[in-house]
Amino acid sequence: DTGVSQDPRHKITKRGQNVTFRCDPISEHNRLYWYRQTLGQGPEFLTYFQNEAQLEKSRLLSDRFSAERPKGSFSTLEIQRTEQGDSAMYLCASSTTVSGRSVETQYFGPGTRLLVL
Amino acid sequence: SQELEQSPQSLIVQEGKNLTINCTSSKTLYGLYWYKQKYGEGLIFLMMLQKGGEEKSHEKITAKLDEKKQQSSLHITASQPSHAGIYLCGADRRDDKIIFGKGTRLHILP
Repeated sequence: DTGVSQDPRHKITKRGQNVTFRCDPISEHNRLYWYRQTLGQGPEFLTYFQNEAQLEKSRLLSDRFSAERPKGSFSTLEIQRTEQGDSAMYLCASSTTVSGRSVETQYFGPGTRLLVL
Repeated sequence: SQELEQSPQSLIVQEGKNLTINCTSSKTLYGLYWYKQKYGEGLIFLMMLQKGGEEKSHEKITAKLDEKKQQSSLHITASQPSHAGIYLCGADRRDDKIIFGKGTRLHILP
């Protein structure tokens, strides 16, 4: 299967701990996005990369959050000093671009569900 | 985001019945996505509409974008249990990210 994959699928942690999630995009896709979805809401944009460059960060992304895509392939999203309000589904998506514009749709992974106790 | 309003918020229909879900934007859309999400899982791409008046179909699901590119509808014909889930519309505003509505929760009664 060559779709977007995320690991882990579920994570339970205690408040104050650090967690890291991984996303592997579709192999030929140069753009990678992170979204967060809370119960009863649609996904909200967090950040995105074109190759290894982080092009935009949402105001939702506090300084406890950091995302990387060091080689332009997989990406990691780290949350430091987790809070109960961080409990959510973290979704990764990937797409391709032509001439700097996203012309293909974003394909989503299965998500990582985080529960902070 | 309140930029996209979906209606209804939830819907319960008898298997075999037709249904429509609406998505309204406060701004003109560059493109409009429809995704389906099973509870607790990722999003599955259904369709993308870009042109005013455009209509696309996939199996028993048809989506339309109005001429002004501010409203879209998703219509399911002869609903089946496999259609159950959350339907999300998403706006492409030419800034490389998707702004999603809150979703419509669809339940199909056997």
